[in-house]
Amino acid sequence: AQSVSQHNHHVILSEAASLELGCNYSYGGTVNLFWYVQYPGQHLQLLLKYFSGDPLVKGIKGFEAEFIKSKFSFNLRKPSVQWSDTAEYFCAVNDAGTYKYIFGTGTRLKVLA
Amino acid sequence: NAGVMQNPRHLVRRRGQEARLRCSPMKGHSHVYWYRQLPEEGLKFMVYLQKENIIDESGMPKERFSAEFPKEGPSILRIQQVVRGDSAAYFCASSPSTGNLRNEQFFGPGTRLTVL
Repeated sequence: AQSVSQHNHHVILSEAASLELGCNYSYGGTVNLFWYVQYPGQHLQLLLKYFSGDPLVKGIKGFEAEFIKSKFSFNLRKPSVQWSDTAEYFCAVNDAGTYKYIFGTGTRLKVLA
Repeated sequence: NAGVMQNPRHLVRRRGQEARLRCSPMKGHSHVYWYRQLPEEGLKFMVYLQKENIIDESGMPKERFSAEFPKEGPSILRIQQVVRGDSAAYFCASSPSTGNLRNEQFFGPGTRLTVL
């Protein structure tokens, strides 16, 4: 069965530090990949998505992610985090052509001012 | 263009009561999905509906939970005789179609259910 692993459950960084959040999935077929952010008390917002093409995907708010097919990974990165990036981040995978999204358990990021 | 709407945003129920959660998909979307987020966990798929049809309810608990998406009006997720373990955030998503390679779902703000 498909699964998504986010190994970092809690991350604490100082402002201006670089961020990388890991996401690995288990599925051998064609997948669509997503990163969502959930700010405290708010709904899920799409940060970026990958369907095909350039494996380096740029999203909103300076985030990017790289799809490495051989490693089944889709790690999220940001060169310099801000206090306002404090939120929970979810990686999600969707078997292309189907409707179920499989979510990771999330990573809570806290950025210290 | 309004996004996916869910109401109420917060719902408090006592054990044994019923909870009704509503979801209005984005305009032009005819596919609705419900997900549940338990504390400290990711979202888990519950059910997929099209107008007047339940397509996949493999993620729904076998008892007390039901969902509908009538021809007119919002989709409803209904939980009968709620228990404390039902406390969670319930998210609705919608999409214009499914089965294509670029299925993208748009999520609502969620309903946070607290069972006392």
